[in-house]
Amino acid sequence: GAGVSQTPSNKVTEKGKYVELRCDPISGHTALYWYRQSLGQGPEFLIYFQGTGAADDSGLPNDRFFAVRPEGSVSTLKIQRTERGDSAVYLCASSLGVGKTSYNEQFFGPGTRLTVL
Amino acid sequence: GENVEQHPSTLSVQEGDSAVIKCTYSDSASNYFPWYKQELGKGPQLIIDIRSNVGEKKDQRIAVTLNKTAKHFSLHITETQPEDSAVYFCAPRRSYKLIFGSGTRLLVRP
Repeated sequence: GAGVSQTPSNKVTEKGKYVELRCDPISGHTALYWYRQSLGQGPEFLIYFQGTGAADDSGLPNDRFFAVRPEGSVSTLKIQRTERGDSAVYLCASSLGVGKTSYNEQFFGPGTRLTVL
Repeated sequence: GENVEQHPSTLSVQEGDSAVIKCTYSDSASNYFPWYKQELGKGPQLIIDIRSNVGEKKDQRIAVTLNKTAKHFSLHITETQPEDSAVYFCAPRRSYKLIFGSGTRLLVRP
């Protein structure tokens, strides 16, 4: 079946501009995650949604970053007033759900490579 | 916060040889220990995982061993093939948040 998809695959923008990155999770997955991966590093957690609500946004670096998931499926990561340091690959993952004793596998999309000039 | 370290950062082996990557973590509450493989231009893909109540798990040419007392777990790949060349990440967790190591670049020389 279809995996996690992310659009666009590449985004080049200028410093100060606003960008939106989209994630389509696997159908039926209630949990959705955003990670950021800088060059040569492992992915770093940004935010986690369970359904429509952001259950944990502790990884968002500052208030320029915001994410929504209005209908509990597609999610959009929004970055305002982009800075050169925001350049990275933004990865989205989804899982069936999460619970106290759940070990649900997180399935990752291919990522969006954001370059801020 | 949680500290995760991987060693080595790069590993070059001859095709057919074995490769071992080690991951150490600091959060004693971690209870799930996956290994991910990431190829160029793709997202990480789970290749094997182990729960905290198990010491070893094997799946064909790959295996993971866990030492909870010492807080480390290792990825073992036997009979390496060129298609095993990629970056490998450990990502221990205790709930939903994966904490990734910095990665190990594995090169399998034909």
